[in-house]
Amino acid sequence: AQSVAQPEDQVNVAEGNPLTVKCTYSVSGNPYLFWYVQYPNRGLQFLLKYITGDNLVKGSYGFEAEFNKSQTSFHLKKPSALVSDSALYFCAVRDMGGRGGNKLTFGTGTQLKVEL
Amino acid sequence: KAGVTQTPRYLIKTRGQQVTLSCSPISGHRSVSWYQQTPGQGLQFLFEYFSETQRNKGNFPGRFSGRQFSNSRSEMNVSTLELGDSALYLCASSLASGSGTEAFFGQGTRLTVV
Repeated sequence: AQSVAQPEDQVNVAEGNPLTVKCTYSVSGNPYLFWYVQYPNRGLQFLLKYITGDNLVKGSYGFEAEFNKSQTSFHLKKPSALVSDSALYFCAVRDMGGRGGNKLTFGTGTQLKVEL
Repeated sequence: KAGVTQTPRYLIKTRGQQVTLSCSPISGHRSVSWYQQTPGQGLQFLFEYFSETQRNKGNFPGRFSGRQFSNSRSEMNVSTLELGDSALYLCASSLASGSGTEAFFGQGTRLTVV
């Protein structure tokens, strides 16, 4: 079985400061990892993914994430936060070797609040 | 390129009724997955269809069903609605199945059961 943990329900950061949203995962094999963002009353928007290769992945809107296999983590980061980054962020995992097709297992989400 | 289109955006139904939700994937995408999002349970996988075949199914009762047509459009049906079925239902389309391709989500259908 695969699972994702997002230990923080909410992260508060001042505009211009760096932000980190944490994610740890568990899969039986190697993972495909994803970050999505959700604005109120909207669907999920894809931010970035880790498939293989470089542990630092760059994505949309200046976001990046670092894959750490030994710590089974995939934290989302941004060097300088914007008020418009305020939203709900989801980490998701798919087992690379599993028979789950495209099934994504999501974390519970982290509400990011960026304040002036 | 058009995104994933879900219709209708909002629905209000009465307990015991049935409902059908529709999803049109991105052109060329053959995989369509459905998710239920609620405040209590978060995002939960319902099922995936690829080339008109159900590829995978989540832990939902048989009242939840789906299908995919030859043009990759998909529908999901919920019969004998219960209050607990009130949720945002999200459809996601992907180019392929079982690979590292990302899923693109529609804006969802907000179902309210009264």
